[in-house]
Amino acid sequence: DVKVTQSSRYLVKRTGEKVFLECVQDMDHENMFWYRQDPGLGLRLIYFSYDVKMKEKGDIPEGYSVSREKKERFSLILESASTNQTSMYLCATELAVYTEAFFGQGTRLTVV
Amino acid sequence: GNSVTQMEGPVTLSEEAFLTINCTYTATGYPSLFWYVQYPGEGLQLLLKATKADDKGSNKGFEATYRKETTSFHLEKGSVQVSDSAVYFCALKGLSTGANSKLTFGKGITLSVRP
Repeated sequence: DVKVTQSSRYLVKRTGEKVFLECVQDMDHENMFWYRQDPGLGLRLIYFSYDVKMKEKGDIPEGYSVSREKKERFSLILESASTNQTSMYLCATELAVYTEAFFGQGTRLTVV
Repeated sequence: GNSVTQMEGPVTLSEEAFLTINCTYTATGYPSLFWYVQYPGEGLQLLLKATKADDKGSNKGFEATYRKETTSFHLEKGSVQVSDSAVYFCALKGLSTGANSKLTFGKGITLSVRP
């Protein structure tokens, strides 16, 4: 089974802090994604990566950056956390473009 | 661009009731279609998928048929259980590379099943 592990289930940070959300997968998948999930808005894509050191902006990249130094790890960075970034963050991976995505359990981030 | 529209929720049913959750899509070409489910406190997991027109995806008693003529992928289950209570997301993915190959999700619908 594919395992996608996010480093924290729940996180509380202060406004202005730099926040790192980590995602690790164990199946050698090429593609990795970060989404945020908000009530009434569904899932929105923040950033994605098709290869090591490669990244592309999704639909809502503002206020975020990412890092992919190793194939199995994809990090989401909030450069200066704000209260409107309080949300559920979901990491996903897929073997290739034509295959299904597998999701981590999510990180619920609260910015106070 | 691609888009997915799901019926408004939430939906509350009694155990053993019939379930239909509507999903329609807009896409260029011939996308793959998916239903994902999110149980309380968990991430999303694939429920079923269909990759071409008239394909039927099925899993755990749920079914959905890829209808190209109506651009729809409605989810059905003949007899729901309390354990089916979850959020359900319809999604599509284009077959080309680049932006079209990303998953596009509907807004999700919450299903609650009463004993």
